[in-house]
Amino acid sequence: DAKTTQPNSMESNEEEPVHLPCNHSTISGTDYIHWYRQLPSQGPEYVIHGLTSNVNNRMASLAIAEDRKSSTLILHRATLRDAAVYYCILRDPNSGGSNYKLTFGKGTLLTVNP
Amino acid sequence: GAVVSQHPSRVICKSGTSVKIECRSLDFQATTMFWYRQFPKQSLMLMATSNEGSKATYEQGVEKDKFLINHASLTLSTLTVTSAHPEDSSFYICSASVLAGVSTDTQYFGPGTRLTVL
Repeated sequence: DAKTTQPNSMESNEEEPVHLPCNHSTISGTDYIHWYRQLPSQGPEYVIHGLTSNVNNRMASLAIAEDRKSSTLILHRATLRDAAVYYCILRDPNSGGSNYKLTFGKGTLLTVNP
Repeated sequence: GAVVSQHPSRVICKSGTSVKIECRSLDFQATTMFWYRQFPKQSLMLMATSNEGSKATYEQGVEKDKFLINHASLTLSTLTVTSAHPEDSSFYICSASVLAGVSTDTQYFGPGTRLTVL
């Protein structure tokens, strides 16, 4: 699997936007970029995913660089409930077999200050 | 929608005993279920992948005779930790996938089971 690189931690203030970066310079043309987050003592939660175009949903936005070697998860207004570890993961749905699996890195620990 | 439950949420057992953890997809049928383990301050590590009605595929280094996985239906998978020892103490998390292999596929995770072996 192509690897991703994320900062170990980031801080934000409540009500402010947060931009969480992810580098994936070895991404292949068929890799989708997935983001999950894990709140303390809970299972991970799906956030968003995309291939080439920027994506928006009720939780966040995903901005993908034109060369696809990096992406940014955007939380438009951080709340205390957004404090979590955010994981950026690449998946190729066409690989088949065990490649359906998600490989979690260390992620970014987001702290939201009141 | 897409809710996954786990039972129990927390279990404490004596060394040498076996513990069964259930994972259920409550409002959808899961073609594939995954079992992960997470030690304190570490990331999730995939243990095995299971499809309904077939044998689970275990990741390298995971003992299949120690971690028994049964995926009897499209809504239920169980993980049994046999002859548990203190080093098996961990946070066990399952996930379920609706359309594994499809671009829109996502995994839905259970809340996790905290296992403590004394």
